[in-house]
Amino acid sequence: GENVEQHPSTLSVQEGDSAVIKCTYSDSASNYFPWYKQELGKRPQLIIDIRSNVGEKKDQRIAVTLNKTAKHFSLHITETQPEDSAVYFCAASKSQGNQFYFGTGTSLTVIP
Amino acid sequence: KAGVTQTPRYLIKTRGQQVTLSCSPISGHRSVSWYQQTPGQGLQFLFEYFSETQRNKGNFPGRFSGRQFSNSRSEMNVSTLELGDSALYLCASSLPATNTEAFFGQGTRLTVV
Repeated sequence: GENVEQHPSTLSVQEGDSAVIKCTYSDSASNYFPWYKQELGKRPQLIIDIRSNVGEKKDQRIAVTLNKTAKHFSLHITETQPEDSAVYFCAASKSQGNQFYFGTGTSLTVIP
Repeated sequence: KAGVTQTPRYLIKTRGQQVTLSCSPISGHRSVSWYQQTPGQGLQFLFEYFSETQRNKGNFPGRFSGRQFSNSRSEMNVSTLELGDSALYLCASSLPATNTEAFFGQGTRLTVV
């Protein structure tokens, strides 16, 4: 099956700096890569996603890049704010339903 | 539009018992997936149901089972509970298409003592 690895497990940045979280996947058939944000005590929520026919996608301060050849994708958050503090999960999925393989999460802390 | 609703929110069970968790998806969502979330392990896929049929299954023992009803509501059952089953169980619903956004419920916190 698919194996998704996520790094780093914890990340602290100063407010206004950028944060980068990286994930690798093992199954070349994976073609959908969502990122979820989970605030403390709350449910995971989708913040951005990318499909395998696209190399980069941006939504305001958040961007995701995908390198299919190397089988890795990354989340970039610019101009970080304290409300960006949360656990971020990457995931990968194939076109066989809605079965997502998640990374183990990155706990991001933005220091005011 | 109501979100995904999971009941109960908290459960305490004894080893060896069984438990049933419930999930009501967003109206119109026919795909329901279940995940186990534990510290350090992230979210691990249990199974996905679509139109009352199991469409995908993760690598969990047979003690974990589920079903989906005609109204898309889903239940998950764990039999012969073990201490290691203590976790947050999250349900997610999606539109019928594949590879679409998963909307998560608040989860059921299961503690096995």
